[in-house]
Amino acid sequence: DVKVTQSSRYLVKRTGEKVFLECVQDMDHENMFWYRQDPGLGLRLIYFSYDVKMKEKGDIPEGYSVSREKKERFSLILESASTNQTSMYLCASSEQGAGYGYTFGSGTRLTVV
Amino acid sequence: GQQLNQSPQSMFIQEGEDVSMNCTSSSIFNTWLWYKQDPGEGPVLLIALYKAGELTSNGRLTAQFGITRKDSFLNISASIPSDVGIYFCAGQQADSWGKLQFGAGTQVVVTP
Repeated sequence: DVKVTQSSRYLVKRTGEKVFLECVQDMDHENMFWYRQDPGLGLRLIYFSYDVKMKEKGDIPEGYSVSREKKERFSLILESASTNQTSMYLCASSEQGAGYGYTFGSGTRLTVV
Repeated sequence: GQQLNQSPQSMFIQEGEDVSMNCTSSSIFNTWLWYKQDPGEGPVLLIALYKAGELTSNGRLTAQFGITRKDSFLNISASIPSDVGIYFCAGQQADSWGKLQFGAGTQVVVTP
């Protein structure tokens, strides 16, 4: 069963901490994405990557960075966590073209206190 | 970035009722997708549409790719309690590098 795996389902971090969210896919997909989901705001794209070591800013990249050293792994980094980054974070992957849509992970619910 | 206009925002329905939701945009899309998100999980693809006018079913779900290529519709017939969740539309444009645009979601609550 092909899947996208996010390393943590729930995470609680303190303000100012550096936070790493990890995502691994086993489908050999070229594209990987990080979204955050907040009530009433839907899914907002933070960063995406269409190849190893390549990254592109999404709609809300401020306060975040990403790393893609291997094709199967895409990491989201919160350089200095703040309370307004409390959210559900979703990782997704797709073949080039996304004609068949994304496959999403189960999400990481991050709380920054 | 542009988001698709999805409505309604939420629906409270009784078991057995039919559900309709739609997604519109001012831009043309060449792919429309519908996802469902169960509570505490990531979205899962329900239906994919690739041609204007296309009508596709998946069990009790039916979706249509609008003729203008600027909208799409999802219907759920004879709703059951496990239909509860958030339904998202998503569209892909021709020059988008595989990046999807999403609607804000429709929250569906089914009461017995």
